[in-house]
Amino acid sequence: KNQVEQSPQSLIILEGKNCTLQCNYTVSPFSNLRWYKQDTGRGPVSLTIMTFSENTKSNGRYTATLDADTKQSSLHITASQLSDSASYICVVSLNYGGSQGNLIFGKGTKLSVKP
Amino acid sequence: SAVISQKPSRDICQRGTSLTIQCQVDSQVTMMFWYRQQPGQSLTLIATANQGSEATYESGFVIDKFPISRPNLTFSTLTVSNMSPEDSSIYLCSVAPNSYEQYFGPGTRLTVT
Repeated sequence: KNQVEQSPQSLIILEGKNCTLQCNYTVSPFSNLRWYKQDTGRGPVSLTIMTFSENTKSNGRYTATLDADTKQSSLHITASQLSDSASYICVVSLNYGGSQGNLIFGKGTKLSVKP
Repeated sequence: SAVISQKPSRDICQRGTSLTIQCQVDSQVTMMFWYRQQPGQSLTLIATANQGSEATYESGFVIDKFPISRPNLTFSTLTVSNMSPEDSSIYLCSVAPNSYEQYFGPGTRLTVT
């Protein structure tokens, strides 16, 4: 069964600290892995997209890693800011000949950054 | 990129009634998707809407409950019919201009009383 599991479910950190969110997946056939940020009351916004051959990708203070052998990904947030408070969703795309919409969503990690 | 707007942003409805959610995209796209996000849960795909053809529904979702229209390449509607409290969710419209990118609308937060 195709699944994406994220940990922790929720996390509270102090402003300025770093944190790492985890994502494990059992999805086949794998196309790419995405991290989205979803602010409360808003739709998800893409942070990074990684294909099978990519180990790491950065977007500002966000750095995602991918280990395709162990089927694990992480999202590292550096020098957190209050605006980082959101849910972070790991999404794996299935490779069905380029067809779109074949996404498996994790439940997300709810991050709260406190002053 | 694609900019997506949805109407309404939120609504409170009585059970047994229906609500139609509108999705507008700032560019022409072939495929549009409708998702549901129940409280504390991940996104679940309801259906894929292609212009000029019937929508394709995922397992557990039926056209009578969630009729979809796709009159052109920039617009779609999702109707939640005969609502019950279990339909209280956030409903999101999404587009995928290519196999590598997917954009989401801001969502419609529906509460059924």
